Amino acid sequence: DAKTTQPTSMDCAEGRAANLPCNHSTISGNEYVYWYRQIHSQGPQYIIHGLKNNETNEMASLIITEDRKSSTLILPHATLRDTAVYYCIVSLQAAGNKLTFGGGTRVLVKP
Amino acid sequence: SAVISQKPSRDICQRGTSLTIQCQVDSQVTMMFWYRQQPGQSLTLIATANQGSEATYESGFVIDKFPISRPNLTFSTLTVSNLSPEDSSIYLCSVRRGSNEKLFFGSGTQLSVL
Repeated sequence: DAKTTQPTSMDCAEGRAANLPCNHSTISGNEYVYWYRQIHSQGPQYIIHGLKNNETNEMASLIITEDRKSSTLILPHATLRDTAVYYCIVSLQAAGNKLTFGGGTRVLVKP
Repeated sequence: SAVISQKPSRDICQRGTSLTIQCQVDSQVTMMFWYRQQPGQSLTLIATANQGSEATYESGFVIDKFPISRPNLTFSTLTVSNLSPEDSSIYLCSVRRGSNEKLFFGSGTQLSVL
């Protein structure tokens, strides 16, 4: 699996958009970008994933650069409940393929 | 989605003993993954458990210390053997499911070793 680089931490204001960057310069052509988050004391939760195109779901949007070497997770209107550690992972989309977690970004949403 | 039941949710164990963690999934899955999360750290994959064959261990993890059973397609156990305080961590089982092969996690087992 390709390695990812994320900022260690970031703060954002409640109600504002949170933009979380991720670098994955060694990503291969068939690897997807997955985002998970882990709220304190819980197991990680899936947020979104994509291959080439930008993706949006009820939780977030994922913007992947054209060269696929980086991506940004956007939480459009951050709430206090979005305070968590966010992990960016690149992996093949296959049941048997392991996901390797990096350090993640610790996001603190402030009132 | 996947429902993953993990037991126990927490335990306090004495040095030198062992703890076996159980993971039950609500439907059949080929692969199950066991992770460890040390205090304040990210998740580290211990091993991949495939039904009908021996588990595949990641670098730094060995079968003698972390034996895994996978008797059927819905159940697995992870044993942490010969416990030391350094084994104090959260242990999580997970599976990949669905058309997008999302990773789903159990609620974790908080292990404290005295």
